[in-house]
Amino acid sequence: GQSLEQPSEVTAVEGAIVQINCTYQTSGFYGLSWYQQHDGGAPTFLSYNALDGLEETGRFSSFLSRSDSYGYLLLQELQMKDSASYFCAVPTPDTGRRALTFGSGTRLQVQP
Amino acid sequence: DSGVTQTPKHLITATGQRVTLRCSPRSGDLSVYWYQQSLDQGLQFLIQYYNGEERAKGNILERFSAQQFPDLHSELNLSSLELGDSALYFCASSGGQGRETQYFGPGTRLLVL
Repeated sequence: GQSLEQPSEVTAVEGAIVQINCTYQTSGFYGLSWYQQHDGGAPTFLSYNALDGLEETGRFSSFLSRSDSYGYLLLQELQMKDSASYFCAVPTPDTGRRALTFGSGTRLQVQP
Repeated sequence: DSGVTQTPKHLITATGQRVTLRCSPRSGDLSVYWYQQSLDQGLQFLIQYYNGEERAKGNILERFSAQQFPDLHSELNLSSLELGDSALYFCASSGGQGRETQYFGPGTRLLVL
């Protein structure tokens, strides 16, 4: 089976940098995705890492280390609108990679 | 706006009842996934359809069923509802089988009283 561990809550101030970590255990690994979900909203795709290293998309970056079964999402120049829950996810091998297994989510609170 | 639509937005019903949730995927997407999000279980995969055929099953109860129609819209049927079925139900779509990027609809919030 799969399991993903991420912190339940993180608090940071506007303009700061925050890192949300994710460690995973999976019988077959194909990549790590990150999704953002605002309260009452739908999950929105942020990034996907299949290979080791850092992927940058604007203020958001995502990192993967397959040897450590570890990844993180880095949010820079935090804005109030970044207050949301962030989920890491992996394709589920049991389903032929056709579904996502999500972590329990990290609630980010950005303070002024 | 992801391009995925779901109806209804909210649903309130009683235990023992049956409801149908509807989803229309993004234009051109052949895969539809259903997820359930509850406070204690998080986001859980239920079932996936690809071009009208069931392709993967997750933690879907026997009381739940789904189908995908020729126009690619999908319906999730929940029957003999229990209090514990109260949750947010999301539909997501992607362009192909096992694609990593899934686009989620706004969800249907189901409350079973």
